[in-house]
Amino acid sequence: EAGVAQSPRYKIIEKRQSVAFWCNPISGHATLYWYQQILGQGPKLLIQFQNNGVVDDSQLPKDRFSAERLKGVDSTLKIQPAKLEDSAVYLCASSSTGTVGEKLFFGSGTQLSVL
Amino acid sequence: RKEVEQDPGPFNVPEGATVAFNCTYSNSASQSFFWYRQDCRKEPKLLMSVYSSGNEDGRFTAQLNRASQYISLLIRDSKLSDSATYLCVVNNDYKLSFGAGTTVTVRA
Repeated sequence: EAGVAQSPRYKIIEKRQSVAFWCNPISGHATLYWYQQILGQGPKLLIQFQNNGVVDDSQLPKDRFSAERLKGVDSTLKIQPAKLEDSAVYLCASSSTGTVGEKLFFGSGTQLSVL
Repeated sequence: RKEVEQDPGPFNVPEGATVAFNCTYSNSASQSFFWYRQDCRKEPKLLMSVYSSGNEDGRFTAQLNRASQYISLLIRDSKLSDSATYLCVVNNDYKLSFGAGTTVTVRA
């Protein structure tokens, strides 16, 4: 079974530039999550999609971050403009139905460095 | 107070030793609990769910203490491959909160 695919693996940009990340969840998984993991911290949920609808985006800095999952399959996360504090690993995860206690499958993440 | 707090460690233990560590959570109404494992520079992977009655999976034992609001993980007969960061995850109102992790290093 193919896992959660993410690209790029690494990205280095200067502050105020824009960047986009892509995620393709496990086939058939209805729920997709974007997490931000800053070094030394646990993952923090940015946004959760159920099919192509947003379930939770309460911790997404909407002045600079945006995400979409137009056809209910793959998703993109964009940062515009980037700040130094956005340096982190951006993890995409998926789960089958999004029900409580369901196992999350994570991708390998995109490591972003903002200089 | 943070929703989920963990002792960051590191816990340095010899092979074959037993190591245990806790995670405290702030919301007494939290519904479910999990341990995820994260290897260095890798993605988190579910290790085990934590049930009210406690549960075992091979060398790993998880316990939940609702009265004191903590969960624990015990690893018996540690292997080199157990070296990782263990993330405590708590479900509050269908939102998962991750702790910062406890790092375990098993030495030969």
